Amino acid sequence: GNSVTQMEGPVTLSEEAFLTINCTYTATGYPSLFWYVQYPGEGLQLLLKATKADDKGSNKGFEATYRKETTSFHLEKGSVQVSDSAVYFCALADTGRRALTFGSGTRLQVQP
Amino acid sequence: ETGVTQTPRHLVMGMTNKKSLKCEQHLGHNAMYWYKQSAKKPLELMFVYSLEERVENNSVPSRFSPECPNSSHLFLHLHTLQPEDSALYLCASSQASAGYNEQFFGPGTRLTVL
Repeated sequence: GNSVTQMEGPVTLSEEAFLTINCTYTATGYPSLFWYVQYPGEGLQLLLKATKADDKGSNKGFEATYRKETTSFHLEKGSVQVSDSAVYFCALADTGRRALTFGSGTRLQVQP
Repeated sequence: ETGVTQTPRHLVMGMTNKKSLKCEQHLGHNAMYWYKQSAKKPLELMFVYSLEERVENNSVPSRFSPECPNSSHLFLHLHTLQPEDSALYLCASSQASAGYNEQFFGPGTRLTVL
C-alpha cells in the first residue's frame, strides 16, 4: 500500500536559518506529491505540489523536487521566518485513487 | 463565502448526545471528504463522497454517519461517541479527475467528547 514518512519533529530553528524537512514515500503507481501547511487553529492549506518526476513545486519561498529515484519530496526554504511556524504535512495522491495519503506531520518552530 | 467552510468550529458533547458537523464547499467541486486528526497521529481518512455517492468508508465505527445531500454539502452525524473520538475533524473537497487530486480543506471542527 501507499505510505508517506516524514522526519520527526519538532524542528526548532532561528529566524533566517535554512530549512529542510525530509519526506519519502512508497506508492504502487505514479503519484502526485504535495506539501500542506497547518497554522495553529486552522485547517490544512496546500503549500506546493509536483505531479511528475523531476518537477519542482514552489510557493512562498518553499521548494520541493519530486525525486523518483530516491522516492523523496523534501521541503526546503532558504531563510525561515517566525511566521513559518506551523505543522507541515507531506502527502501523495496515487493514480486512480481519490484520497490523499498523509505523513504524520512535522512541527516547525522558528524563534526570533 | 469562498473555499470550504465548516460549522461549528468547536463542539463539546456528552457521550449520549447527538450532534452534526456541517461542511460546505463553494468551489464547484464534485468530491468531498471527512478526515480525523488526532494528536500525534497521521490524518485518518474517514469517508469519501464522489458525485454525492459514498465511494470510500475506511472502517469507521457506525457512531459516525456521513450524509451528502448534494455536491456542495457534507454532514457528519455523531451519536453515542466515546472520549477517544475527541479530535479535529477536517472536511475537504476536490475536483476528481483522471489526473492528480488537489484537495482543499476547511478549518476543521474541534470536537471534545466528555
